[in-house]
Amino acid sequence: ETGVTQTPRHLVMGMTNKKSLKCEQHLGHNAMYWYKQSAKKPLELMFVYSLEERVENNSVPSRFSPECPNSSHLFLHLHTLQPEDSALYLCASSQAGIAGGISTDTQYFGPGTRLTVL
Amino acid sequence: AQKITQTQPGMFVQEKEAVTLDCTYDTSDQSYGLFWYKQPSSGEMIFLIYQGSYDEQNATEGRYSLNFQKARKSANLVISASQLGDSAMYFCAMGGYSTLTFGKGTMLLVSP
Repeated sequence: ETGVTQTPRHLVMGMTNKKSLKCEQHLGHNAMYWYKQSAKKPLELMFVYSLEERVENNSVPSRFSPECPNSSHLFLHLHTLQPEDSALYLCASSQAGIAGGISTDTQYFGPGTRLTVL
Repeated sequence: AQKITQTQPGMFVQEKEAVTLDCTYDTSDQSYGLFWYKQPSSGEMIFLIYQGSYDEQNATEGRYSLNFQKARKSANLVISASQLGDSAMYFCAMGGYSTLTFGKGTMLLVSP
């Protein structure tokens, strides 16, 4: 595997279900990100992890719970979601991490998980 | 706060023609990065080109070039010799200290 991979690619879940999204980067990067892309809205940053520590949480509801067990893996645990949470969830990674400031740090994205909440 | 504005919801171009996608930005940071990404219908966000705020030369990557005008706070993407495979959404983004802010995107359609 190369680059950034995400599983599953598609997920349909009910509002009472619990599921997890998985992201893995094979680039040796230090930072990983979760983004949400809803229809007709700009891409929204949800969480940033740098060297396995969470450094950004953009007021994301607690029904989304991230986990970063090591610098190569990132999870997004989902529970009691709402239909408005249906979106494309994109994972990304970058080299420098927060220590270097990410303003000039190129992020590489995975293919995304298209989530539908019924 | 950072802001990215892409004013063109959609652009049409014929194959082999050049096209410019507009992007303006606003920031109070002295050091920042500007990025362009391509998103085909498959969903993956593909990195195209990067320009640093202190770079004096405009960035180029193959058929892509970034027309960076710092005083105007613009970072337009120029695609030369468009190909059918260039049809996609294109996003301009700006890197801040701990975030990447995206514009709303421009849908580019390339016709034969």
